[in-house]
Amino acid sequence: DIQMTQFPPTLSASVGDRVTITCRASQNTNDWLAWYQQKPGKAPKLLIYKASSLDRGVPSRFSGGVSGTEFTLTIRSLQPDDSATYFCQHYDNYAWTFGQGTKVDIK
Amino acid sequence: EVHAVESGGVLVQPGGSLRLSCSKSGFSFSDSSMNWVRQTPGKGLEWLAHISSSSSAIYYADSVKGRFIISRDNAKISLYLQMDSLRDEDTALYYCARGRDQAFDNWGQGTLVTVSS
Repeated sequence: DIQMTQFPPTLSASVGDRVTITCRASQNTNDWLAWYQQKPGKAPKLLIYKASSLDRGVPSRFSGGVSGTEFTLTIRSLQPDDSATYFCQHYDNYAWTFGQGTKVDIK
Repeated sequence: EVHAVESGGVLVQPGGSLRLSCSKSGFSFSDSSMNWVRQTPGKGLEWLAHISSSSSAIYYADSVKGRFIISRDNAKISLYLQMDSLRDEDTALYYCARGRDQAFDNWGQGTLVTVSS
């Protein structure tokens, strides 16, 4: 089974900063990788699917990428509303696996 | 056996059974695959079960295989999760979500299931 390791677990950044969150696969894999944003008391919200496709209505400051076994979520210019926990999620061989989450705080 | 629509909270004893229901609107339910996902503070998000639009393909996470059964009724626009032999570690917030491009959107608001004596 492919394991996904997400890091960092927490990060604190200022409004306007560029922020990157990474999910590393334990081996070479496909690009069925999604990113979610979750705010307290709410269900996760899909941001990115298939590694780099922005879901409808998601601000363009969010982007997804992949290099080798590392998938990244980048927030180009952090906004106060981006304070949340972010999760990656991977699909392979009829199993869907989530990363451990990254809590993003605004300084 | 206890029944719960995807809202509110439910308390069940260890070894007991529970049936969750989820009714989603805003998209073509009968054309969509659906999933159950749960969340705990300790283990984070965990996918549990997937059912295709016609119920022809069903998959489970190893952690619930043999104990949980996913099903759907397209005429009633409803998704179900039958949960048997419940354990303390099944205590979690349970979500239904639509499957799209091997990701999940249109999440429900969640049902808190507490397994405790």
